[in-house]
Amino acid sequence: AQSVTQLGSHVSVSEGALVLLRCNYSSSVPPYLFWYVQYPNQGLQLLLKYTSAATLVKGINGFEAEFKKSETSFHLTKPSAHMRDAAEYFCAVSDRGSTLGRLYFGRGTQLTVWP
Amino acid sequence: EPEVTQTPSHQVTQMGQEVILRCVPISNHLYFYWYRQILGQKVEFLVSFYNNEISEKSEIFDDQFSVERPDGSNFTLKIRSTKLEDSAMYFCASTPGDTQYFGPGTRLTVL
Repeated sequence: AQSVTQLGSHVSVSEGALVLLRCNYSSSVPPYLFWYVQYPNQGLQLLLKYTSAATLVKGINGFEAEFKKSETSFHLTKPSAHMRDAAEYFCAVSDRGSTLGRLYFGRGTQLTVWP
Repeated sequence: EPEVTQTPSHQVTQMGQEVILRCVPISNHLYFYWYRQILGQKVEFLVSFYNNEISEKSEIFDDQFSVERPDGSNFTLKIRSTKLEDSAMYFCASTPGDTQYFGPGTRLTVL
């Protein structure tokens, strides 16, 4: 069965600093991987997705993630944090090697950005 | 930009009561999902729905739960007899095929 591990339930950075949110997955089939962001009192918004094309994926709001098969990782990065990036971030993997399958989510990482 | 909408945003109910959570998926999407997130825990898959029938359900989705697409726009999740442990945020999602788009959620509190 697929599973997702997000290392660090809380990450704090200063404004302008590098953001690195870690995600490792296990999958018995070629994975489809996603990062979602949840702002307070809002739903899950897609940041970016990997669906077996380029391993470096660019998303919205300056975020990007790199798929590394050898490390079974899909870490999310942003070179320079903004106050508006403060939110909860979820990594997810799709079941059955299909984008239609159920998503398995990590526990989430709460990002705090200090001025 | 089209969005998935959910009503109500908050629902408080007594244990043993029936609740219906409502979702309006994005209009040209064909696949629908329900997920839930118990406070402090992972977002968990409940059920997926396509062509007016359940395509997959998780072990959580027992006989207390049912889903329905009563008309061309709504997609509902019914919990027949709520338990304390059903208290959670329930998310609806829909997809045209490549990305699941989520609604804002309904927070269900069972007293």
